[in-house]
Amino acid sequence: EVQLVESGGDLVQPGGSLRLSCAASGFIFSSYWMSWVRQAPGKGLEWVANIKQDESEKYYVDSAKGRFTISRDNAKNSLYLQMNSLRAEDTAVYYCARIRRGGGVVTLDYWGQGTLVTVSS
Amino acid sequence: DIQMTQSPSSLSASVGDRVTITCRASQSISNYLNWYQQKPGKAPKLLIYTASSLQSGVPSRFSGSGSGTDFSLTISSLQPEDFATYYCQQSFGALTWTFGQGTKVEIK
Repeated sequence: EVQLVESGGDLVQPGGSLRLSCAASGFIFSSYWMSWVRQAPGKGLEWVANIKQDESEKYYVDSAKGRFTISRDNAKNSLYLQMNSLRAEDTAVYYCARIRRGGGVVTLDYWGQGTLVTVSS
Repeated sequence: DIQMTQSPSSLSASVGDRVTITCRASQSISNYLNWYQQKPGKAPKLLIYTASSLQSGVPSRFSGSGSGTDFSLTISSLQPEDFATYYCQQSFGALTWTFGQGTKVEIK
């Protein structure tokens, strides 16, 4: 059974940093692209970042460029999101998700339960 | 950036109703369009990928259609467990993605 479990969400002051983690199990983690998606309270979904299996390609939403870094450790079956210079508008539930890619298919087929990041003084 | 516009933003329907949600892309995205269902306090769940393919385990009352810029999600006979928010998402091009703003399906 595919499982994605996020952790690391917390209350942090504006300008602060936080590192989110996502522990993957039930599939060959090193074979999949992975993604972070967030959802501000009461708002819609916003894609944040994608990372290739070997970390050779990374993509970010414009608002995250220069502040957030997506990374992974295939030996630990783990995905990370390092968030620096946090702003109030970064307050959201952050989901990690597996990307199914191939044969004309590009989709987010499994999601974690999310971890809440609150940026406030 | 590709913008995704869903309509309506919300709708009220009864059990058994046929419901259609539309999603329009600001440029052609071929069939790189996915649909997700989200219930309150829960993670999104994939329903439809590549515009019309049903994800394994999803009931057949859900269907998707469209290509290019115009897409739709149809629920043929709304069930109590279908009351939720639905999002479209484009996965075209250089892996920089966008979601529609969501459509909340409520009980009439």
